[in-house]
Amino acid sequence: RKEVEQDPGPFNVPEGATVAFNCTYSNSASQSFFWYRQDCRKEPKLLMSVYSSGNEDGRFTAQLNRASQYISLLIRDSKLSDSATYLCVVNLYNDYKLSFGAGTTVTVRA
Amino acid sequence: GAVVSQHPSWVICKSGTSVKIECRSLDFQATTMFWYRQFPKQSLMLMATSNEGSKATYEQGVEKDKFLINHASLTLSTLTVTSAHPEDSSFYICSARDLAGDAYEQYFGPGTRLTVT
Repeated sequence: RKEVEQDPGPFNVPEGATVAFNCTYSNSASQSFFWYRQDCRKEPKLLMSVYSSGNEDGRFTAQLNRASQYISLLIRDSKLSDSATYLCVVNLYNDYKLSFGAGTTVTVRA
Repeated sequence: GAVVSQHPSWVICKSGTSVKIECRSLDFQATTMFWYRQFPKQSLMLMATSNEGSKATYEQGVEKDKFLINHASLTLSTLTVTSAHPEDSSFYICSARDLAGDAYEQYFGPGTRLTVT
């Protein structure tokens, strides 16, 4: 079993749609969670941290479910510019190392 | 703020040669830098953790004699791929942790695409 697992997609959605996807992680004691965005052939860029109570940043909402060991990302009112690969990133063992999921590809079409 | 640069951005080399990749934190001090490798359609895999002034810590399965890491200052870490082979062709990305920032946040460099022919 992978330590950080994501649905690879792709999710093809029209502009304005809502898209959501999850990521599961293996260590129940993990404390820090992030969503990164990676565009083709570029480095990952931090989209948002994920807090225990859930948090929102504009059209993006992140949730953490500790009982089931997953985090989620929801994108509302999708824009063409949201097309990217979204990486689930977990500080699995609370030692400053980040573990990456393989990414969920989202394509927003006009 | 929090900019990390990498040089070169891409390199093509012949099998058997060595390639050095530089990672610099431009506007902050980084006690710790990380080196990752990403193959197409796969996730980033941590290769090693580099601490200023001490030896790097390598992840399981990563050959320390093949991937030489030097972290001589708080703003510079280098990765040297020695005797490169075609299977070393990959996207190499470094990241740095800000000494004064969030403990878990890492800032990524733009990556170096290595092709070994």
